[in-house]
Amino acid sequence: EVQLLESGGGLVQPGGSLRLSCAASGFTFSRYPMSWVRQAPGKGLEWVSAISGSGDTTYYADSVKGRFTISRDNSKNTVYLQMNSLTAEDTALYYCAKEKAVPTAIGDFWGQGTLVTVSS
Amino acid sequence: DIVMTQSPDSLAVSLGERATINCKSSQSVLSSSKNKNDLAWYQQKPGQPPKLLIYWASTRESGVPDRFSGSGSGTDFTLTISSLQAEDVAVYYCQQFYSSWTFGQGTKVEIK
Repeated sequence: EVQLLESGGGLVQPGGSLRLSCAASGFTFSRYPMSWVRQAPGKGLEWVSAISGSGDTTYYADSVKGRFTISRDNSKNTVYLQMNSLTAEDTALYYCAKEKAVPTAIGDFWGQGTLVTVSS
Repeated sequence: DIVMTQSPDSLAVSLGERATINCKSSQSVLSSSKNKNDLAWYQQKPGQPPKLLIYWASTRESGVPDRFSGSGSGTDFTLTISSLQAEDVAVYYCQQFYSSWTFGQGTKVEIK
């Protein structure tokens, strides 16, 4: 059974940093791209970032480019999202999603999310 | 960026009746190399993460009931629930994956 468990969320001041983690199990982790998608309270879905199975290729939404860094450790079956220079607009529930093998770039399994609140 | 616009924002349908949600993209998401539309539909119930229903505009994900169907091509797409059940109350999102990922704003489906 595929499981994705996000952690690392919390309350942070504007300008601060957080590192989110997503621990995966139930599938061959290194074979699949992974993505982060966020959802502001009461709002819709916004894709944030994605990483290839090998970790060689990364993608970012314009809204986070230069501030967020996605990475993965295939030996630990974990994907990370390092978030710097946080603003109130980054407040959201952050979901980790496993992408399908074919086609990629759609999430076939999602974690329950970890909440990030940016506030002074 | 490709902008996805869904209509309506919400709809109320009687149990057993048909629900139809529309999604329009600001540019074509038809991949000429694959001859497939890079368009997916998700269902999100309150307090839960999204669930993939359909991809390539009309391919049902494994385990999804056949009352859910997708259609359309190019820039105009439709998700149809042929006979609404109580468990289908949710917000539905379309997503294009032709160029990065972008989602529609969501359509809330309720029981009339």
